[in-house]
Formats: sequence, C-alpha cells, structure tokens
Amino acid sequence: EIVMTQSPATLSVSPGERATLSCRASQSVSSNLAWYQQKPGQAPRLLIYGAFTRATGIPARFSGSGSGTEFTLTISSLLSEDFAVYYCQHYNNWPPSFTFGPGTKVDIK
Amino acid sequence: QITLKESGPTLVKPTQTLTLTCTFSGFSLSTSGVGVGWIRQPPGKALEWLALIYWNDDKRYSPSLKSRLTITKDTSKNQVVLIMTNMDPLDTATYYCAHSNLYGDYWYFDLWGRGTLVTVSS
Repeated sequence: EIVMTQSPATLSVSPGERATLSCRASQSVSSNLAWYQQKPGQAPRLLIYGAFTRATGIPARFSGSGSGTEFTLTISSLLSEDFAVYYCQHYNNWPPSFTFGPGTKVDIK
Repeated sequence: QITLKESGPTLVKPTQTLTLTCTFSGFSLSTSGVGVGWIRQPPGKALEWLALIYWNDDKRYSPSLKSRLTITKDTSKNQVVLIMTNMDPLDTATYYCAHSNLYGDYWYFDLWGRGTLVTVSS
C-alpha cells in the first residue's frame, strides 16, 4: 500500500508571498498525483492532476511539479482566497484505489 | 453544468446501517470514462476514499472498509447509493460524493458535492 505524506503540516505565509507545499509517496507513483484545495466548510476542489496539469478554471499562480516520489505544489503569489488546506492524492491502478495525504494548512502569517 | 448532492440521515445509532444517496445532474453514468465516488472526512481530519462505481458498473472499495460497503447506481434516476453497515462513532464524518473522470490512465475527482454530515451516536 502506498502511503502519502505532506509537509509541512502548517505553512504560515504572508499575502503576496510564494508558498511551496510538498507531497511524498512511499514508492514511485510516476506522475499520478493530484492536488486539491479545501476551504473551511467547503468541499475539496481539484487544482492539479497528472502532477502538473491545472484543472479547468484554476489560475496560473498554481503550479505542480515532480514525479516518482517527490511532488511540489507552488502558489506563486498568495491571495487571501488561497488560505486553505491542500491535499495531495494518488490513484493506484491495481488494485484501483485512491489515497489522500494528510494535508497542509496554509494560513496567514 | 455538473452538480452532485448528497442526501441521507444526519444521525445514526451505533451498529445501524447507513444509506446515502448521491443525486447528480449534468452527466450520465452510462458514459464511458465516468465514475462517481464517495469520500469522507471526520471533523478536523483528512479525506478518506471509500468507494467508486464506474460507468460499466465496475465497483471498487477501500480495502480497509470493503467488508462494510456497498455501492450501486441507478442510471435512469441519476443516482449513486452507498451503504455502510455496522456504523460506529468513529464513522462520524462529512460524506462527499464526487464525479470522477479518466485523465489519461488515471482517475481523479474533478467535481464534488457539498457533503453531508453524518453523526453516529446513541
């Protein structure tokens, strides 16, 4: 079973600054990695899939990178609306299953 | 426009069976490459995938919960139903249904319902 870990657990950033979030897989997942954003009281929203492809309507300030076991979500210049919890997720082809990471909370510094 | 909405009881007793319904619009679950899944989130905790049903009626379950879960679909009603048996207070969570699409070789949840909070308590 592949285990996803995320760091840091909490990231304090000032508006306008860059935020860099990390996700690590316990074994190689190629580029099979997604990122979701969840704001308080809301459902998650797909931001990135395939490690680096932005989902429909996602602003260009969000970018994903990495492959294998190490992945990064970068928010180039944080807006107030970006303060949220971010989850990475891997889809395992066989047996088919979805695994989410524990999340990184981005809060205001 | 794709929408999904979860419905079901807000309170269940321990050992009871939970039945949740996801009613969706804007897509058909008979279209190739489409699925609907269930994900839950205990208060203040992370997301946990539960189950997924594909357009071809193939079904997949979380290995840790497989013995307690059943997922079915009614294409004519645009609904997906999740049944979870032997509920426990640890199953208290917000339960989400989500549309899943095949992106290349992989599946992701690209649109989510608002979720429904289910509390397990006597």
